[in-house]
Amino acid sequence: EVQLVESGGGLVQPGGSLRLSCAASGFTFSSYEMNWVRQAPGKGLEWVSYISSSGSTIYYADSVKGRFTISRDNAKNSLYLQMNSLRAEDTAVYYCARDVSYDTWGQGTMVTVSS
Amino acid sequence: DIQMTQSPSSLSASVGDRVTITCRASQGISNYLAWFQQKPGKAPKSLIYAASSLQSGVPSKFSGSGSGTDFTLTISSLQPEDFATYYCQQYNSYPHTFGQGTKLEIK
Repeated sequence: EVQLVESGGGLVQPGGSLRLSCAASGFTFSSYEMNWVRQAPGKGLEWVSYISSSGSTIYYADSVKGRFTISRDNAKNSLYLQMNSLRAEDTAVYYCARDVSYDTWGQGTMVTVSS
Repeated sequence: DIQMTQSPSSLSASVGDRVTITCRASQGISNYLAWFQQKPGKAPKSLIYAASSLQSGVPSKFSGSGSGTDFTLTISSLQPEDFATYYCQQYNSYPHTFGQGTKLEIK
């Protein structure tokens, strides 16, 4: 079964850091591009970041550029999102999603930025 | 950035009805358009990619059409489990952008 499982969310103070992980199983992770998407409470979906299958190509939304870093470890079948200088407006459920067609999503991990 | 505009923002319908949701892109995106269904507290579920291709396991009551800037999602014979929020998304160019969502409610 194709599965994505996010972890690493939690409560963090403004200006703090958090590292999210997405564990992949049931498919050849190294063959797929991956994305992070977030959803603020009661709001719509917002694309956050993309990484190619090899990790050589990366894109970010303007809202997180310079603060967030996407990476992957194909040997560990894992995707990461390092989030620094967190702001209240980064509060959201963060999802990892497979491929440019977003055919598979994880269950999400909640990040709350608050003092 | 490409803006995606869905209409309507909300829609009331009855079990058994057929409904259509529209999505318009601010510039041409060929057929790089996906549709997602999201239920409260759950992750989005992919329904359609490439504007009209059904994801594996998605029932044929869902259909998509369009190309360029105008797209539609049609759901036939609504069932209770179809009442949810639906999003379109363009993946023609980064940043990939979503529509604001259409909340489908039971009348």
